[in-house]
Amino acid sequence: EAGVTQSPTHLIKTRGQQATLRCSPISGHTSVYWYQQALGLGLQFLLWYDEGEERNRGNFPPRFSGRQFPNYSSELNVNALELEDSALYLCASSLAMSIYGYTFGSGTRLTVV
Amino acid sequence: AQTVTQSQPEMSVQEAETVTLSCTYDTSESDYYLFWYKQPPSRQMILVIRQEAYKQQNATENRFSVNFQKAAKSFSLKISDSQLGDAAMYFCAYRSGNSNSGYALNFGKGTSLLVTP
Repeated sequence: EAGVTQSPTHLIKTRGQQATLRCSPISGHTSVYWYQQALGLGLQFLLWYDEGEERNRGNFPPRFSGRQFPNYSSELNVNALELEDSALYLCASSLAMSIYGYTFGSGTRLTVV
Repeated sequence: AQTVTQSQPEMSVQEAETVTLSCTYDTSESDYYLFWYKQPPSRQMILVIRQEAYKQQNATENRFSVNFQKAAKSFSLKISDSQLGDAAMYFCAYRSGNSNSGYALNFGKGTSLLVTP
């Protein structure tokens, strides 16, 4: 069974540009979660999508947005990139409202220069 | 929002020895779930063990066990017979059982575990 896949693995962008990160969940999982892992800050919750709808949002500005497609894959968009957006972005998936934790992807390393 | 605190930024253990990683959390909820995740240098987060708050029995998965103290809001991870492959960043996480709080995992800042031969 394929795990959670994220693309690209690495992404370098210039300040002010837009970045698009993609995530494909495990087959059968309808929930997708996005986290930002900046150095020394642990994992910060960004967004939760389930059945195509945004269900919950972390404490991030509106320039962080995303969507979930009918096949449950998801993309995260970061507009007007700032230097402090440089981080590892992790995607995870689960069955809806699962109490058994998530399965994570290996992340996209975003570097803003 | 619930706060998860890992007070040990770094820990070290010798191979074959036992180490305990600490985690405390702050919540007013009675229904919740706790997790330990491991993040090796490959960056992929791996679920180590989970605990339901309503269960008094501590969870165990092979060499990994937890000490869940609900009244003290403490959830420590014990690794027995440590192996070189256990070296990683370990994250404690909290998930509410209340739909109004959302079901996202709330993570601590992690403990870096070094295993020495």
